[in-house]
Amino acid sequence: EAGVAQSPRYKIIEKRQSVAFWCNPISGHATLYWYQQILGQGPKLLIQFQNNGVVDDSQLPKDRFSAERLKGVDSTLKIQPAKLEDSAVYLCASSLEGTRAEAFFGQGTRLTVV
Amino acid sequence: LAKTTQPISMDSYEGQEVNITCSHNNIATNDYITWYQQFPSQGPRFIIQGYKTKVTNEVASLFIPADRKSSTLSLPRVSLSDTAVYYCLVGDRRALTFGSGTRLQVQP
Repeated sequence: EAGVAQSPRYKIIEKRQSVAFWCNPISGHATLYWYQQILGQGPKLLIQFQNNGVVDDSQLPKDRFSAERLKGVDSTLKIQPAKLEDSAVYLCASSLEGTRAEAFFGQGTRLTVV
Repeated sequence: LAKTTQPISMDSYEGQEVNITCSHNNIATNDYITWYQQFPSQGPRFIIQGYKTKVTNEVASLFIPADRKSSTLSLPRVSLSDTAVYYCLVGDRRALTFGSGTRLQVQP
């Protein structure tokens, strides 16, 4: 079974630039999560989708972050404009449904903002 | 969402059994307890999930007392490759909320 695919693996941008991350979840997984993990901390949920609807985006900085999940499959997370404090690993995960189901994580995208 | 408290770090030696305890005093009736493992430069990986009593799989055991206010992840006979961060999560059908986790260091 193919895992959660994320791209790119690494990205370096200057502050105030924009960047986008892409996630392809495991086929058939209705739930998709985006997390931000700052070095030395646990992953912090940014947004959760159920199919193509948003379940929870309470911790998403909506003035600069946006995410979409078209057709309930692939998802993109965008940051515009980026700040230095956005430097982190951005993890995508998917599961069959909700938190009782095992969530599978991608390897993440390491973003460095300089 | 129930808040969890875990030790920041633990040290062990190869071949020992390691028990990591997580406190979740305000766990709700519908909440499940789930543990994830994370290696450097990788995303977290599901280890085990339970609701009450004891759950065992090929990797670990999870002990949950009757009041469900805490849980213990037990790793039998750890090896160097078990060096990782272990996260305890408590929730129902809402989002997975990670705390700071327990950093386990296994020494030879």
